[in-house]
Amino acid sequence: DIQMTQSPSSLSASVGDRVTITCRASQGISNSLAWYQQKPGKAPKLLLYAASRLESGVPSRFSGSGSGTDYTLTISSLQPEDFATYYCQQYYSTPRLTFGGGTKVEIK
Amino acid sequence: EVQLVESGGGLVQPGGSLRLSCAASGFTFSSYEMNWVRQAPGKGLEWVSYISSSGSTIYYADSVKGRFTISRDNAKNSLYLQMNSLRAEDTAVYYCARDRYMVRGVIDYWGQGTLVTVSS
Repeated sequence: DIQMTQSPSSLSASVGDRVTITCRASQGISNSLAWYQQKPGKAPKLLLYAASRLESGVPSRFSGSGSGTDYTLTISSLQPEDFATYYCQQYYSTPRLTFGGGTKVEIK
Repeated sequence: EVQLVESGGGLVQPGGSLRLSCAASGFTFSSYEMNWVRQAPGKGLEWVSYISSSGSTIYYADSVKGRFTISRDNAKNSLYLQMNSLRAEDTAVYYCARDRYMVRGVIDYWGQGTLVTVSS
């Protein structure tokens, strides 16, 4: 199975900050990577797929990049509604999907 | 509007069984591949099972293989997960999740989840 490792596991940031979350796969996944946002008590929400393609309706302050085994999610200017937990997920080995451990973004 | 509504969760004893259902609406259910994904309390997301649009292709995570059975009824726009020989480690919120059309493995819609608690 492909293992996904996210870092950091949590971070504290202020409104307006630029935030970067990284995700490393245990093998190359050819940009077959999605990012999800989850708020407490809610289902995850798709933000990006194919490493950098923004899902319809998602604000442009979210962006993704990377290749091979290393990928990043960037929030260019953190907004109050962005405080949540973020998960990366590989679908290179679809349908056997694996998720990262999550990064909780908290208010500083 | 796409909606996925799970039901069937609850408290069950170790070794017991439970059947989860997911009612889909707002899209052509028979055209989409579906998944079950779970999340243990305070933990991350774990993919559980996949079923193709026709139901002919099925996969399971190793942690549930041989104990769980995924199925669907396209005439009823419904997805199911039969869970047998339940263990404490199966305790989680179970989400019904739709694959994005033509992008297998990207989940574009999730249900609200149903909680399964395995405890004596």
